[in-house]
Amino acid sequence: DIVMTQTPLSLSVTPGQPASISCKSSQSLLHSDGKTYLYWYLQKPGQPPQLLIYEVSNRFSGVPDRFSGSGSGTDFTLKISRVEAEDVGVYYCMQSIQLSWTFGQGTKVEIK
Amino acid sequence: QVQLVESGGGVVQPGRSLRLSCAASGFTFSSYGMHWVRQAPGKGLEWVAVISYDGSNKYYADSVKGRFTISRDNSKNTLYLQMNSLRAEDTAVYYCAKVGKSVEQQLVQGPDRRLDYWGQGTLVTVSS
Repeated sequence: DIVMTQTPLSLSVTPGQPASISCKSSQSLLHSDGKTYLYWYLQKPGQPPQLLIYEVSNRFSGVPDRFSGSGSGTDFTLKISRVEAEDVGVYYCMQSIQLSWTFGQGTKVEIK
Repeated sequence: QVQLVESGGGVVQPGRSLRLSCAASGFTFSSYGMHWVRQAPGKGLEWVAVISYDGSNKYYADSVKGRFTISRDNSKNTLYLQMNSLRAEDTAVYYCAKVGKSVEQQLVQGPDRRLDYWGQGTLVTVSS
């Protein structure tokens, strides 16, 4: 199985400041169909995960434009341009290049 | 709007069985693949299984292969997870989630493997 490794595992951010989370995969997530199957989710406290970013850089419906995704191959990044209080929770990257989906360990984001 | 409501969780002894359900509404259930994902208490997310829109294709995580069976009843807009030979390590909140695009959309626009909407989850506790 493909292993997803996130760094850092926790992050404390001042409101209004940027934040960045890295996700590295053990194999390239670029499929022969041309798509890169890398996603980002946010799980707010007490809630199910919600989709933020799909296929590396596409924001899901309703996701604020302060969230952006980038990367290629095996290295990916989620950036929050200006963190707000509502952004607290655990962020997960996920891959699905093979028919076996795997998640990163999660990065807990807190507000200072 | 999309609604996914899981049920069937509870406390069960090791070695016993349990069946989870996920009632779907707000979209054409019969056109979408569906997943089960679980989360052990205080831990991260673990993908469990996926089923195609018509039930013809199913894939499982190695940790549940041979013990769990994913199925669906499109006439009832319901997804199931039959869990047999349960172990303590199966203790988790189980979420159902839908695939992002319908089979019709994927035929035109290409494959879609995102899980875009999730239910609130149902807790399964395996303990003697």
